[in-house]
Amino acid sequence: KQEVTQIPAALSVPEGENLVLNCSFTDSAIYNLQWFRQDPGKGLTSLLLIQSSQREQTSGRLNASLDKSSGRSTLYIAASQPGDSATYLCAVSSLKAAGNKLTFGGGTRVLVKP
Amino acid sequence: EAGVVQSPRYKIIEKKQPVAFWCNPISGHNTLYWYRQNLGQGPELLIRYENEEAVDDSQLPKDRFSAERLKGVDSTLKIQPAELGDSAVYLCASSLRAGAYWETQYFGPGTRLLVL
Repeated sequence: KQEVTQIPAALSVPEGENLVLNCSFTDSAIYNLQWFRQDPGKGLTSLLLIQSSQREQTSGRLNASLDKSSGRSTLYIAASQPGDSATYLCAVSSLKAAGNKLTFGGGTRVLVKP
Repeated sequence: EAGVVQSPRYKIIEKKQPVAFWCNPISGHNTLYWYRQNLGQGPELLIRYENEEAVDDSQLPKDRFSAERLKGVDSTLKIQPAELGDSAVYLCASSLRAGAYWETQYFGPGTRLLVL
């Protein structure tokens, strides 16, 4: 059974500092890995999707890397802003699960202080 | 383009009462998902529809939960009777093509349920 872990559960940084969020998964047989953002009381917004054949994806200040063999992904957010404060979740789509079933980590709650 | 719509946004009920949640996916999306998110945790899949067919309901507590997707568009998730442990956020998501593993899922804002 696929398990996804995100450490730390919470993170606080001053504005301007780079953010590094970690995600690990137990089964490397995946189709893809996604990073989502969740604001309080809101749904999830997809930030980046990395296919299993890819090593990284970039979008603006966001960069996500994937090391499938070690079961790890890292989300980098450059020059953090207070508007980046949210919970960030990673999720994997496993080869052994039917359809596009996502297994989520517990999330990292980020606070960027002005 | 309108996103995934869910209603109600909040619901407070007493235990043993029934409750229903409604979801309208993005127009043209064939696949619809219901997730449950407990406080401080990531979402967990309850049921997945491809068009009008429930193709993965292995995590749905069938003794009290039921779901339907009429005409392959809107969907309703029902709990009867509700228990205290059902307090959570219920998220609906949709994606474009049935069975497409590379498709991004688009999430609605969720329904926050509190069972007293």
